[in-house]
Amino acid sequence: DMKVTQMPRYLIKRMGENVLLECGQDMSHETMYWYRQDPGLGLQLIYISYDVDSNSEGDIPKGYRVSRKKREHFSLILDSAKTNQTSVYFCASSLSSGRSAETLYFGSGTRLTVL
Amino acid sequence: GQQVKQSSPSLTVQEGGILILNCDYENDMFDYFAWYKKYPDNSPTLLISVRSNVDKREDGRFTVFLNKSGKHFSLHITASQPEDTAVYLCAAGENQGGSAKLIFGEGTKLTVSS
Repeated sequence: DMKVTQMPRYLIKRMGENVLLECGQDMSHETMYWYRQDPGLGLQLIYISYDVDSNSEGDIPKGYRVSRKKREHFSLILDSAKTNQTSVYFCASSLSSGRSAETLYFGSGTRLTVL
Repeated sequence: GQQVKQSSPSLTVQEGGILILNCDYENDMFDYFAWYKKYPDNSPTLLISVRSNVDKREDGRFTVFLNKSGKHFSLHITASQPEDTAVYLCAAGENQGGSAKLIFGEGTKLTVSS
């Protein structure tokens, strides 16, 4: 069963705390992504990972970092969270042979609230 | 600036009607175009996609039309049903020798009334 799994589903943190969002996929996909979704802005790309330890900034990387030590696992880290990082975060993966745009498979999202 | 733009934040149509969702893009290098569908509190899922070597692709009630010279693509839905009520996100990216990066529009919230 092809799946992208995100944990946790809901998270409330205080400003200044560290946040770790986890994502896993069981499809052996090379490429993984972190997006955030805000009202009126659609999905904005934070980071893209082409494979283990091969990460690249997306359009809004500031305030975030990522870690990919295994192909099936991609983490998003917020060091010292800010209130403007309150959002819904989606992880996605794609097969991506040759770094071309392909179908994305999304996780169910993590709704993060930073107080 | 926004590389991929959807002009209508929301749209309402009667059940059975035909509707058109529009998307404009800026980057000439984009040659992969897609529409994703998202229900509330759910993840986006691919509805239909097209590569730039064709200007139309049909899948049941859903058709994508691509106008490369106008940097515009659209999603046509026929015989609309209440279960089509969702947010529709257009997306574009580079297919050949480019990046796996997919850029999304802001989304159009579609309501199909019965």
